[in-house]
Amino acid sequence: AQKITQTQPGMFVQEKEAVTLDCTYDTSDQSYGLFWYKQPSSGEMIFLIYQGSYDEQNATEGRYSLNFQKARKSANLVISASQLGDSAMYFCAMREGRGIKAAGNKLTFGGGTRVLVKP
Amino acid sequence: DSGVTQTPKHLITATGQRVTLRCSPRSGDLSVYWYQQSLDQGLQFLIQYYNGEERAKGNILERFSAQQFPDLHSELNLSSLELGDSALYFCASSTHATGGETQYFGPGTRLLVL
Repeated sequence: AQKITQTQPGMFVQEKEAVTLDCTYDTSDQSYGLFWYKQPSSGEMIFLIYQGSYDEQNATEGRYSLNFQKARKSANLVISASQLGDSAMYFCAMREGRGIKAAGNKLTFGGGTRVLVKP
Repeated sequence: DSGVTQTPKHLITATGQRVTLRCSPRSGDLSVYWYQQSLDQGLQFLIQYYNGEERAKGNILERFSAQQFPDLHSELNLSSLELGDSALYFCASSTHATGGETQYFGPGTRLLVL
């Protein structure tokens, strides 16, 4: 079974509008972390936002916010006021476990969602 | 700019050859991770090193090996290359081995095997 599922392969969004990118995850760990990364056409992976499983508040970073629904195992990324430069692939990732017993700190990625912002 | 550097940016080679990809982590980071991004497999974790020691292993082929040197830079060696090894190889770094902190990615090395 996939650990990270991004069901939207591609989306169009109008400039200045908000867009929500879906991410659901599967883990039996109580402690885990969820990340979103942006990959523009140039190829680099840019960290956007992080949510820890014990964080009570939804994470926010500028125009990015994470809608974390633990019971539903979802961690959707919301981009507000979309800009042309937001056109990119967006990846949701999960790190399971923590502490010395954790098997390292590896990230498991979803398949990504391509966002195209229309002027 | 994440502060993680990778060289070379592009690499074109032939099947059966061996290549070395190099990564320098962000200043102060002790952990280095290698990921492979291919069209058919997506983004996959290969291996993690922490302060010179192997910390975790993912779906890394036996033809691939890595190491982290005392100055904390890391190298990923790919040998007996096959067409299917063509991919974007990322290095990432974080301060510690565990704890969930953010991994910052380098710009990647794009490998094309002909």
